[in-house]
This record gives sequence, structure tokens and C-alpha cells, in this order.
Amino acid sequence: DARVTQTPRDKVTEMGQEVTMRCQPILGHNTVFWYRQTMMQGLELLAYFRNRAPLDDSGMPKDRFSAEMPDATLATLKIQPSEPRDSAVYFCASGLSGGANEQFFGPGTRLTVL
Amino acid sequence: AQRVTQPEKLLSVFKGAPVELKCNYSYSGSPELFWYVQYSRQRLQLLLRHISRESIKGFTADLNKGETSFHLKKPFAQEEDSAMYYCALIPNTDKLIFGTGTRLQVFP
Repeated sequence: DARVTQTPRDKVTEMGQEVTMRCQPILGHNTVFWYRQTMMQGLELLAYFRNRAPLDDSGMPKDRFSAEMPDATLATLKIQPSEPRDSAVYFCASGLSGGANEQFFGPGTRLTVL
Repeated sequence: AQRVTQPEKLLSVFKGAPVELKCNYSYSGSPELFWYVQYSRQRLQLLLRHISRESIKGFTADLNKGETSFHLKKPFAQEEDSAMYYCALIPNTDKLIFGTGTRLQVFP
């Protein structure tokens, strides 16, 4: 049963520290998404890749966030420097491009910035 | 602008009561619409999509283009339906635009 995996599952850090979250998409999927979930905003799309190329990162604060796909089996989301307002659950999802295809979500990384 | 609106943050019902979770969208073309669900301590997963016209776990959703709505309905709620429900829209690319979610609580 193929699943999206994310590490770490929980991260507590201090303000100003660098945070790196990792995602392994389902093998064969060519789209990868990063979302942030908060009580107030719900699920916000941060970044989106198709065939490893970044297509949309308009939802991401550019000064401190960066998203990459160094290869087809790894996507990373980095925050540097982190701030308390970044505290949220970060989800990765993968899927197949085109049409009304399902996105498969990872378990999320719960980030707490003190 | 492309937008999904879920007006209720919380919906509480008793077991056996009918449920309707509201979703309205803003999009000028023909949208692809979905409902995703997140049960406690589980990952977000697809519940149903309008293109399939299916009933999953007793839930149905009908696309009403005139009212730009895609409300999720179930005639008799069960305790195991308690979860967070997100309505989502794919306008014309792969990315999903989510609503803010509605938490459904079903009391025994």
C-alpha cells in the first residue's frame, strides 16, 4: 500500500532556527504539493511541482521559505529563519497530473516555533 | 478569483440526524470539485469527487452550477462520521483550492 511519507512528524524549534521538512511522494506520481494547515486559514497551498519543476509557489513567503525537489523521490520545504507564526502542520501530497485526479496526503509535520 | 467557501466552522448533530455541510465556490469555468475528509489522527483523504457521481459512506454531493454549490449530504449521521471536512476545487490545473473546512461532530 503506497503512501506519502514525511519526516519529521513533529518538530519543536526556537525562533531564528532553520527547519527542513522532507517528503517522499508515491513512486510514479509526478505532482507534489506542500500545504500549511492552521486553525484560522485551513489548508493553504504553499508550493506545487510537476515533473520536479516548480510551477507555483505564490502562496509561500519568499523571504524565508524555499521548496525544492532534488530528485523524484524527495521534496523538501525549508524555513530560514523560522518565526513563531510559522507554527502549523505542514502537509505534503502527491498525485498524477491532469484532470480530476486524487491527491494523496502524507501524515504531516507538526511544527512549533517557540 | 477562484475561491471555495465553507461558511460553517463547526456543525454538531446527534446520531441519526441528517447532515448537510455547505460548500460554495467561485469560478467562471467548469470546475472539478471534491470533498476531502480528515478523521482524528489520520491523514487527509479523498471522500468523493463530483465527476464520479458516487456515494461514499452514505455521503453524496451534487454540483449545482446555478447556485455554485457542492454541498455534502448524508441522511443519517453516524458517530464515526465525526471529522474535519474540506471542500476543494481544481480550476484548470492540478492544484487544489481548499475551503477552510467544517468540523462535524456527531453526538451519540
